Amino acid sequence: DVKVTQSSRYLVKRTGEKVFLECVQDMDHENMFWYRQDPGLGLRLIYFSYDVKMKEKGDIPEGYSVSREKKERFSLILESASTNQTSMYLCASSLYGYGYTFGSGTRLTVV
Amino acid sequence: AQKITQTQPGMFVQEKEAVTLDCTYDTSDPSYGLFWYKQPSSGEMIFLIYQGSYDQQNATEGRYSLNFQKARKSANLVISASQLGDSAMYFCAIDYSQFYFGTGTSLTVIP
Repeated sequence: DVKVTQSSRYLVKRTGEKVFLECVQDMDHENMFWYRQDPGLGLRLIYFSYDVKMKEKGDIPEGYSVSREKKERFSLILESASTNQTSMYLCASSLYGYGYTFGSGTRLTVV
Repeated sequence: AQKITQTQPGMFVQEKEAVTLDCTYDTSDPSYGLFWYKQPSSGEMIFLIYQGSYDQQNATEGRYSLNFQKARKSANLVISASQLGDSAMYFCAIDYSQFYFGTGTSLTVIP
C-alpha cells in the first residue's frame, strides 16, 4: 500500500513564525499536492508538484511556498504564520490518471 | 464555477439502512474520473470508490456503489446496510486536469 506520511498530526505555532509541514510518500509517485481543509469550504488546493524541483500554484497559494528537492518529499512552508492559516492541512500523492492517496493530515493552530 | 456540488451538509441514517449521498459535477470534458472519499474524525482521507466517465456500469465496492447518471452529471454514493463506523465526512471529487472536491457531507449513523 502507498503510504503518505505527514510529520505532525497537531501543531501549535505563534503568529509570525516560519512553519514547515513535511510530507513523504513511499511509492515513487510523480505528483504531490498540498490542500487545506476548512469547514464548509471543502478542500482547497494550495500548491502541487509534478516533478522534482517543479511547483505550480493552486487556488490559494498566498502566504505559502513549497519545496520539492527529492521525489518523495514535498514540504509546505508558511513564511510568516497568521491566525487565518489555522486549518487542517492535507498532503496527497498520485500517479497520473489514478486517484489520490492522502496523508493523515496536520491540524495547525496559529495563536 | 463550482466543479463539484454536494448539497447535503449533514445526513442521518439508521443503522442497517441504506443512504444516498448526492453529488453533481460540472465539466464539458468528455474524459474525467469521479471519486468518493471518506474522512473519519481522525482526519485521514480514505478512498472509497471510482467511476470513469466512459464506464458503462456503475462502480461497486462492497457496501458502496456509485449511481452514475452521466446525462444529469450526477454521481451519488449509495451506502447499503449502514454501520456505526460509517459516521464520517464524505467528499465527492472529480479528476479533470486536476482534482476538484466538493464541500462534503457529514453522515451520522444512529444506533
